Amino acid sequence: GAVVSQHPSRVICKSGTSVKIECRSLDFQATTMFWYRQFPKKSLMLMATSNEGSKATYEQGVEKDKFLINHASLTLSTLTVTSAHPEDSSFYICSARDLGSEQFFGPGTRLTVL
Amino acid sequence: GENVEQHPSTLSVQEGDSAVIKCTYSDSASNYFPWYKQELGKGPQLIIDIRSNVGEKKDQRIAVTLNKTAKHFSLHITETQPEDSAVYFCAASTSPGGYQKVTFGTGTKLQVIP
Repeated sequence: GAVVSQHPSRVICKSGTSVKIECRSLDFQATTMFWYRQFPKKSLMLMATSNEGSKATYEQGVEKDKFLINHASLTLSTLTVTSAHPEDSSFYICSARDLGSEQFFGPGTRLTVL
Repeated sequence: GENVEQHPSTLSVQEGDSAVIKCTYSDSASNYFPWYKQELGKGPQLIIDIRSNVGEKKDQRIAVTLNKTAKHFSLHITETQPEDSAVYFCAASTSPGGYQKVTFGTGTKLQVIP
């Protein structure tokens, strides 16, 4: 199947700093990328959907100014957590989709905000 | 919006026995139902999927059934092995507004006892 990578896999930062997470589709062009957040022992919560070259569509309750999403190319999307606080600590997972229905998930990024 | 319920939340089976996980969905417009396996600290991996025009699909030890009328679908794993131990998520997908949105179930932690 198609491969999606995320970088970094783990990040620890101080409260108030910003963190950027990259999501790349390695062997296909992703027309749509999705960003999820997962709390321990919980399901995946969709944060936003982004299409290449257009603004992301955020789910209700997700602050677009706090979670900045950029989908500059068909193989790269970035999620920037701005002014991170301890409550932003979570497992962030991206997925990418080509023209088919199947989403391919990245390995996730563990964010810890001290 | 779509609501996906999943049962049971935890499941322990003896190696070699079968495991069944059940999900229900609320939106009759959902037409794509993937199942994901997530190992600790990793992103979800698609293991099987079914579309609404099919009632059953099988891939070696894994099978999925779909009842559109009742809005429920199930995952069946036969001859379970210790490496099947993981968290399994069902999902339902529609295509509102031209993009695909996936709603995940709450997850089932499967433990296969050797």
